[in-house]
Amino acid sequence: AQSVTQLDSHVSVSEGTPVLLRCNYSSSYSPSLFWYVQHPNKGLQLLLKYTSAATLVKGINGFEAEFKKSETSFHLTKPSAHMSDAAEYFCVVSSFSGSARQLTFGSGTQLTVLP
Amino acid sequence: SQTIHQWPATLVQPVGSPLSLECTVEGTSNPNLYWYRQAAGRGLQLLFYSVGIGQISSEVPQNLSASRPQDRQFILSSKKLLLSDSGFYLCAWSGSGANVLTFGAGSRLTVL
Repeated sequence: AQSVTQLDSHVSVSEGTPVLLRCNYSSSYSPSLFWYVQHPNKGLQLLLKYTSAATLVKGINGFEAEFKKSETSFHLTKPSAHMSDAAEYFCVVSSFSGSARQLTFGSGTQLTVLP
Repeated sequence: SQTIHQWPATLVQPVGSPLSLECTVEGTSNPNLYWYRQAAGRGLQLLFYSVGIGQISSEVPQNLSASRPQDRQFILSSKKLLLSDSGFYLCAWSGSGANVLTFGAGSRLTVL
């Protein structure tokens, strides 16, 4: 069984300050982990993925995430928020590398960026 | 490059009317195709997935059905819509044996 918990449903930051979106996961096997971003009324876009290579994963738009097995966490960070980062972010876990059918989505974190 | 198209973008339908949402993928062959529904604050729920023409698996019992008449075409349908069918529907594809999804832009359905 697998599950994912996004610890904050809403996060608000000022432009130019760091972003931290928290995600904890549970998995019976070595997981694959993803972060997706969704802008209003749009589809989801892949930000980054972890698949058992380097534990620090760099993604698009300056985002990165660190896989910490001991803490079962995969938090998403960005050093300096931009107004265009305002969106909803989804943490996703998969215990089976061969099938997108097995993906489990978190409930999402809405990021607001204040001017 | 691969692209995914989904339409219509928005749809307002009366209760009891039929539904057809369409999704097509370009630039790849034999993709795995998926329909998700997104409810506010609840993440994404997988409704249907397909690994080939005519092969449909349903993840949850509901008022909806899916069909795959061609390799890169995936259709979500209903004969009679319910109020509870309102939501944001997302089509996605992945390569065979892959777990990375590429999503369409979504279709917002409002049932009145």
